[in-house]
Amino acid sequence: AIQLAQSPSSLSASVGDRVTITCRASQGISSALAWYQQKPGKAPKFLIYDASSLESGVPSRFSGSGSGTDFILTISSLQPEDFATYYCQQFNSYPLTFGGGTKVEIE
Amino acid sequence: EVHLVESGGGLIQPGGSLRLSCAASGFTFSSYAMSWVRQAPGKGLEWVSGISASGGSTYYTDSVKGRFTISRDNSKNTLYLQMNSLRAEDTAVYYCAKVRQITFYYGSDAFDIWGQGTMVTVSS
Repeated sequence: AIQLAQSPSSLSASVGDRVTITCRASQGISSALAWYQQKPGKAPKFLIYDASSLESGVPSRFSGSGSGTDFILTISSLQPEDFATYYCQQFNSYPLTFGGGTKVEIE
Repeated sequence: EVHLVESGGGLIQPGGSLRLSCAASGFTFSSYAMSWVRQAPGKGLEWVSGISASGGSTYYTDSVKGRFTISRDNSKNTLYLQMNSLRAEDTAVYYCAKVRQITFYYGSDAFDIWGQGTMVTVSS
């Protein structure tokens, strides 16, 4: 199975900060990567597909980049509603897998 | 509006069985592959099982192979997960999720719609 290693596992940041989260795949997955945001007690919310395409309705401060094995989620200017846990997910091949998550907390 | 609503969760003893359902509305259910994803308390997301739009192809994570069975009834717009020989480590919120596109280039696709989840607790 393809493993996804997310880093950091948690970070503290302030409103207005630029935040980057890394996701590294154990083997190449082309651009078959998605990013999700999850708040406590809620279902995940879909943010980005195909590594860099923004889902409709998602604020433009979110962006994704990368291909192959290394991927990045960037939040250009952190907003209060962005404090949450973020997950990457590969859909290149079964079994599908998720990264361990990155919790973004208020500094 | 697109909706997925899970049901069937509850408290079950180790070794027991449970069937989860996911009722879909607002889209052509029979055209989309679907999956179950779970989240143990305080833990991350774990993909459990997936099924093609027709139901002809099914996929499982290793830890549930031989114990869980995914199926769908396209006439009822409903996805199922039959869970047998349940273990304490199966305790989690179970979400159903819809893939983004009808056809996709890769092995699967991103999940654009998620249900609210149903809690399964395996304990004596």
